[in-house]
Amino acid sequence: IVLTQSPGTLSLSPGERATLSCRASQSVSSTYLAWYQQKPGQAPRLLIYGASIRATGIPDRFSGSGSGTDFTLTISRLEPEDFAVYYCQQYDFSPFAFGPGTKVDIK
Amino acid sequence: QVHLVQSGAEVKKPGASVKVSCKASGYTFTDYYIQWVRQAPGQGLEWMGWLNPNTGGTSYAQKFQGRVSMTRDTSISTAYMELSRLTSDDTAVYFCTRDVLIAVPGSGFWGQGTLVTVSS
Repeated sequence: IVLTQSPGTLSLSPGERATLSCRASQSVSSTYLAWYQQKPGQAPRLLIYGASIRATGIPDRFSGSGSGTDFTLTISRLEPEDFAVYYCQQYDFSPFAFGPGTKVDIK
Repeated sequence: QVHLVQSGAEVKKPGASVKVSCKASGYTFTDYYIQWVRQAPGQGLEWMGWLNPNTGGTSYAQKFQGRVSMTRDTSISTAYMELSRLTSDDTAVYFCTRDVLIAVPGSGFWGQGTLVTVSS
Protein backbone atom coordinates (compact mmCIF):
# COMPACT_ATOMS: atom_id res chain seq x y z
CA ILE A 1 0.00 0.00 0.00
CA VAL A 2 1.29 3.45 -0.92
CA LEU A 3 0.23 6.43 1.16
CA THR A 4 0.08 9.86 -0.45
CA GLN A 5 -0.13 12.98 1.67
CA SER A 6 -1.29 16.37 0.51
CA PRO A 7 -0.41 19.10 0.39
CA GLY A 8 3.32 18.70 0.65
CA THR A 9 3.57 22.01 2.46
CA LEU A 10 0.83 24.00 4.15
CA SER A 11 1.56 27.63 4.97
CA LEU A 12 -0.81 29.00 7.58
CA SER A 13 -0.96 31.52 10.40
CA PRO A 14 -1.48 30.77 14.09
CA GLY A 15 -5.18 30.47 14.84
CA GLU A 16 -6.04 29.12 11.39
CA ARG A 17 -7.44 25.69 10.66
CA ALA A 18 -5.22 23.06 9.07
CA THR A 19 -6.59 20.17 7.04
CA LEU A 20 -4.12 17.45 6.07
CA SER A 21 -4.96 14.58 3.74
CA CYS A 22 -3.67 11.01 3.62
CA ARG A 23 -4.77 8.85 0.73
CA ALA A 24 -4.08 5.11 0.46
CA SER A 25 -3.63 3.20 -2.79
CA GLN A 26 -6.06 0.60 -1.50
CA SER A 27 -8.55 0.41 1.33
CA VAL A 28 -7.12 0.45 4.86
CA SER A 29 -9.03 -0.52 7.97
CA SER A 30 -9.57 2.54 10.14
CA THR A 31 -8.21 0.53 13.07
CA TYR A 32 -4.81 0.58 11.44
CA LEU A 33 -4.27 4.24 10.50
CA ALA A 34 -2.18 6.56 12.65
CA TRP A 35 -0.90 10.14 12.51
CA TYR A 36 2.37 11.49 13.91
CA GLN A 37 3.90 14.89 14.47
CA GLN A 38 7.63 15.42 14.18
CA LYS A 39 9.66 18.49 15.06
CA PRO A 40 13.29 18.98 14.01
CA GLY A 41 15.73 16.89 15.99
CA GLN A 42 12.99 14.98 17.78
CA ALA A 43 11.44 11.57 17.53
CA PRO A 44 7.93 11.52 16.08
CA ARG A 45 5.00 11.76 18.49
CA LEU A 46 1.82 9.76 18.09
CA LEU A 47 -1.19 12.04 17.71
CA ILE A 48 -3.98 9.80 16.46
CA TYR A 49 -4.44 6.04 16.20
CA GLY A 50 -7.38 4.04 14.94
CA ALA A 51 -7.92 6.92 12.50
CA SER A 52 -9.74 9.05 15.09
CA ILE A 53 -8.56 8.24 18.62
CA ARG A 54 -6.38 10.88 20.21
CA ALA A 55 -3.34 9.53 22.01
CA THR A 56 -2.83 10.38 25.66
CA GLY A 57 -2.07 14.03 26.24
CA ILE A 58 -2.91 15.20 22.73
CA PRO A 59 -4.98 18.42 22.76
CA ASP A 60 -8.51 18.25 21.43
CA ARG A 61 -7.70 20.72 18.65
CA PHE A 62 -6.27 17.67 16.87
CA SER A 63 -8.83 15.36 15.29
CA GLY A 64 -8.69 12.51 12.83
CA SER A 65 -11.34 11.18 10.50
CA GLY A 66 -11.85 9.11 7.41
CA SER A 67 -12.18 5.55 6.21
CA GLY A 68 -11.27 3.31 3.31
CA THR A 69 -8.71 5.17 1.24
CA ASP A 70 -9.18 8.74 2.47
CA PHE A 71 -8.13 10.00 5.89
CA THR A 72 -7.84 13.50 7.30
CA LEU A 73 -6.02 15.12 10.19
CA THR A 74 -7.51 18.44 11.25
CA ILE A 75 -5.95 20.99 13.57
CA SER A 76 -8.80 23.31 14.47
CA ARG A 77 -6.75 26.35 15.53
CA LEU A 78 -3.02 26.29 14.99
CA GLU A 79 -0.86 27.04 18.01
CA PRO A 80 2.79 28.10 17.57
CA GLU A 81 3.96 24.66 18.72
CA ASP A 82 1.95 22.91 15.98
CA PHE A 83 4.24 23.99 13.15
CA ALA A 84 5.94 20.72 12.29
CA VAL A 85 5.88 17.80 9.86
CA TYR A 86 2.97 15.36 10.01
CA TYR A 87 3.04 11.75 8.84
CA CYS A 88 0.34 9.17 8.42
CA GLN A 89 1.08 5.44 8.69
CA GLN A 90 -0.95 2.35 7.93
CA TYR A 91 -0.63 -0.90 9.86
CA ASP A 92 -3.09 -2.96 7.84
CA PHE A 93 -0.72 -4.50 5.33
CA SER A 94 3.00 -5.13 5.52
CA PRO A 95 5.11 -3.11 4.95
CA PHE A 96 3.59 -0.65 7.43
CA ALA A 97 4.43 2.30 5.25
CA PHE A 98 4.46 5.95 6.17
CA GLY A 99 3.25 8.73 3.93
CA PRO A 100 5.85 11.25 2.71
CA GLY A 101 4.69 13.87 5.20
CA THR A 102 3.06 17.29 5.18
CA LYS A 103 5.03 20.22 6.48
CA VAL A 104 2.95 22.84 8.24
CA ASP A 105 4.88 26.08 8.33
CA ILE A 106 4.22 29.63 9.40
CA LYS A 107 2.87 31.92 6.72
CA GLN B 1 6.73 5.34 32.84
CA VAL B 2 7.55 3.62 29.60
CA HIS B 3 11.07 4.24 28.36
CA LEU B 4 12.94 2.99 25.35
CA VAL B 5 16.64 3.77 25.57
CA GLN B 6 18.78 3.14 22.53
CA SER B 7 22.49 2.63 22.15
CA GLY B 8 24.78 5.43 21.05
CA ALA B 9 25.78 6.74 17.66
CA GLU B 10 27.83 4.55 15.35
CA VAL B 11 30.21 5.21 12.49
CA LYS B 12 30.69 2.30 10.12
CA LYS B 13 32.51 1.66 6.88
CA PRO B 14 30.69 0.48 3.77
CA GLY B 15 30.19 -3.27 3.84
CA ALA B 16 30.21 -3.47 7.63
CA SER B 17 27.34 -4.33 9.96
CA VAL B 18 25.77 -2.37 12.79
CA LYS B 19 23.77 -3.59 15.77
CA VAL B 20 21.52 -1.12 17.59
CA SER B 21 20.00 -1.94 20.96
CA CYS B 22 16.76 -0.72 22.52
CA LYS B 23 16.33 -1.26 26.26
CA ALA B 24 12.74 -1.16 27.47
CA SER B 25 11.55 -0.28 30.94
CA GLY B 26 8.32 0.61 32.70
CA TYR B 27 6.25 -2.21 31.26
CA THR B 28 6.27 -5.94 30.57
CA PHE B 29 8.68 -6.26 27.65
CA THR B 30 7.07 -9.35 26.18
CA ASP B 31 3.58 -7.82 26.00
CA TYR B 32 4.24 -5.36 23.16
CA TYR B 33 5.71 -5.62 19.70
CA ILE B 34 8.81 -3.55 18.96
CA GLN B 35 9.04 -1.86 15.59
CA TRP B 36 12.08 -0.31 13.94
CA VAL B 37 11.83 2.84 11.84
CA ARG B 38 14.61 4.83 10.22
CA GLN B 39 14.98 8.35 8.90
CA ALA B 40 17.72 9.43 6.52
CA PRO B 41 18.95 13.03 6.86
CA GLY B 42 16.27 15.45 5.70
CA GLN B 43 14.00 12.60 4.61
CA GLY B 44 10.78 10.96 5.80
CA LEU B 45 10.15 7.96 7.99
CA GLU B 46 10.80 4.44 6.72
CA TRP B 47 9.39 1.35 8.40
CA MET B 48 11.86 -1.52 8.65
CA GLY B 49 10.00 -4.28 10.48
CA TRP B 50 8.68 -5.61 13.75
CA LEU B 51 9.73 -8.00 16.45
CA ASN B 52 7.46 -9.97 18.76
CA PRO B 53 9.49 -10.02 21.98
CA ASN B 54 7.38 -12.86 23.37
CA THR B 55 8.00 -15.36 20.60
CA GLY B 56 10.96 -13.84 18.78
CA GLY B 57 8.87 -13.74 15.62
CA THR B 58 9.70 -11.06 13.07
CA SER B 59 8.42 -9.42 9.93
CA TYR B 60 10.69 -7.31 7.76
CA ALA B 61 10.04 -4.86 4.96
CA GLN B 62 11.00 -6.52 1.71
CA LYS B 63 13.58 -3.82 1.07
CA PHE B 64 15.62 -5.09 4.02
CA GLN B 65 15.05 -8.83 3.66
CA GLY B 66 18.30 -10.74 3.90
CA ARG B 67 20.12 -7.79 5.37
CA VAL B 68 18.30 -7.09 8.64
CA SER B 69 17.88 -9.17 11.77
CA MET B 70 15.70 -8.22 14.73
CA THR B 71 16.26 -10.14 17.94
CA ARG B 72 15.72 -9.77 21.64
CA ASP B 73 17.04 -10.73 25.05
CA THR B 74 14.06 -11.00 27.36
CA SER B 75 16.28 -11.35 30.45
CA ILE B 76 17.33 -7.73 30.06
CA SER B 77 14.24 -6.40 28.23
CA THR B 78 16.30 -5.39 25.23
CA ALA B 79 15.58 -5.55 21.52
CA TYR B 80 18.24 -5.45 18.83
CA MET B 81 18.31 -4.48 15.17
CA GLU B 82 21.30 -5.57 13.13
CA LEU B 83 21.78 -4.32 9.58
CA SER B 84 24.51 -5.79 7.41
CA ARG B 85 26.28 -4.88 4.16
CA LEU B 86 25.96 -1.20 4.93
CA THR B 87 26.12 1.45 2.22
CA SER B 88 26.02 5.23 2.41
CA ASP B 89 22.26 4.99 1.80
CA ASP B 90 21.93 3.41 5.24
CA THR B 91 23.11 6.61 6.94
CA ALA B 92 20.11 7.48 9.06
CA VAL B 93 18.67 7.81 12.53
CA TYR B 94 17.22 4.48 13.63
CA PHE B 95 14.31 4.42 16.07
CA CYS B 96 12.73 1.61 18.04
CA THR B 97 9.07 2.05 18.93
CA ARG B 98 6.37 0.36 20.98
CA ASP B 99 2.64 0.15 20.33
CA VAL B 100 0.40 2.52 22.22
CA LEU B 101 -1.62 -0.29 23.82
CA ILE B 102 -1.51 -4.08 23.80
CA ALA B 103 -2.63 -5.29 20.37
CA VAL B 104 -3.44 -1.71 19.34
CA PRO B 105 -1.17 -0.52 16.53
CA GLY B 106 0.30 2.91 16.65
CA SER B 107 3.82 3.75 17.79
CA GLY B 108 2.99 5.50 21.02
CA PHE B 109 6.47 5.30 22.48
CA TRP B 110 9.76 5.97 20.73
CA GLY B 111 13.39 5.58 21.60
CA GLN B 112 15.60 8.63 21.33
CA GLY B 113 17.07 7.45 18.06
CA THR B 114 20.51 6.17 17.11
CA LEU B 115 22.47 7.91 14.36
CA VAL B 116 24.30 5.46 12.14
CA THR B 117 26.78 7.04 9.75
CA VAL B 118 28.22 4.97 6.95
CA SER B 119 31.34 6.51 5.51
CA SER B 120 34.65 5.35 4.14
